[in-house]
Amino acid sequence: AQTIHQWPVAEIKAVGSPLSLGCTIKGKSSPNLYWYWQATGGTLQQLFYSITVGQVESVVQLNLSASRPKDDQFILSTEKLLLSHSGFYLCAWSIQGWEQYFGPGTRLTVL
Amino acid sequence: GDSVTQKQGQVTLSEDDFLFINCTYSTTTYPTLFWYVQYPGQGPQLLLKVTTANNKGISRGFEATYDKGTTSFHLQKASVQESDSAVYFCALVEWAGANTGKLTFGHGTILRVHP
Repeated sequence: AQTIHQWPVAEIKAVGSPLSLGCTIKGKSSPNLYWYWQATGGTLQQLFYSITVGQVESVVQLNLSASRPKDDQFILSTEKLLLSHSGFYLCAWSIQGWEQYFGPGTRLTVL
Repeated sequence: GDSVTQKQGQVTLSEDDFLFINCTYSTTTYPTLFWYVQYPGQGPQLLLKVTTANNKGISRGFEATYDKGTTSFHLQKASVQESDSAVYFCALVEWAGANTGKLTFGHGTILRVHP
């Protein structure tokens, strides 16, 4: 069975500090991977997607970047956090693009 | 681009009540539609999927029917339980090329069920 793990579970960071969030998928070969952002009480907004190692497409510009260093790993990062980066970050996977399955999420608070 | 509208921000019911959550969509292509459920502090879980081929999805007592005429995809359940309390998102997938899709979510409907 496939599992999706996100780390860390939660982060409290200062404005202007760097950030790295991670996501690992086990049990699926060559999945499509996605990053989403969700404001507290809000809807989900897709940020990036990747269909293969080393290739990442940006959907929304939020002063964030993403990378896929391995088939089962997706990284979200920024060098300088903004207050507006606070929220819930979700990684998701799919095969053939239609149903997407979400991870447990990382809660980010920027102070 | 595609869009999804959920007009109800919150629905409050008692156990065994009938549930109806409204969702309408706008797309220029043949839609594939989803309902996701999100419990507090968790990622969304896929609840239902409907395509133009099957028109209806049923899962865990929830049901949704795709209506092309009214471009609607309402979620229903005959008898809700307190454990159904969560946020429900309607979503539409848009082809993004290379065998992947972009999910567009509605704003979500908070369901509160009182015992």
